[in-house]
Amino acid sequence: GAVVSQHPSRVICKSGTSVKIECRSLDFQATTMFWYRQFPKQSLMLMATSNEGSKATYEQGVEKDKFLINHASLTLSTLTVTSAHPEDSSFYICSAPPGGCCQETQYFGPGTRLLVL
Amino acid sequence: SQQGEEDPQALSIQEGENATMNCSYKTSINNLQWYRQNSGRGLVHLILIRSNEREKHSGRLRVTLDTSKKSSSLLITASRAADTASYFCAIRDTGGGNKLTFGTGTQLKVEL
Repeated sequence: GAVVSQHPSRVICKSGTSVKIECRSLDFQATTMFWYRQFPKQSLMLMATSNEGSKATYEQGVEKDKFLINHASLTLSTLTVTSAHPEDSSFYICSAPPGGCCQETQYFGPGTRLLVL
Repeated sequence: SQQGEEDPQALSIQEGENATMNCSYKTSINNLQWYRQNSGRGLVHLILIRSNEREKHSGRLRVTLDTSKKSSSLLITASRAADTASYFCAIRDTGGGNKLTFGTGTQLKVEL
């Protein structure tokens, strides 16, 4: 089946630094990818929709200058947490629907755990 | 908030028993999906039920959907210790695109 990978799986950084998280679709092209954030024992909250070749669409309350998204190719989207602070510590998960934005099924990456000290 | 509500928040059962989780939502939907998440891991898609369907089965899973009550249930029959995980419903509303809005989740623990 379709596979989505994320890198790194875990990152620890100092407050004020920027962290880049990659999301790759390994065996299909993804014109759209989604980025979620999940705090401990909570649900997934959609942060933004990443669109290949155009600007990302951010959900209400998500700072686009804080969370930079670049959908560089049909298989890669990156999320950069700029000037990270301890409150940004969370589990970040991406997903991609094979075959374009409106396919019913999405495949999720394994997630990236970010800890900001 | 359009986020779905799930109950119970936590469920602890013995192996072999059935587990039922419920999901309620507020909007009109195209489909409703159930996902499983092991601790600290990504999500695994379990089953999808469309708005014009009322019941679906997949192995030991049974999902129902009542669009008049805006609710769905996931039944896991003959549970196993390996079923221990968090279970989330997610709705794709009729607003277009493929955004999923996740429910609050149910933490299931199946004890030997």
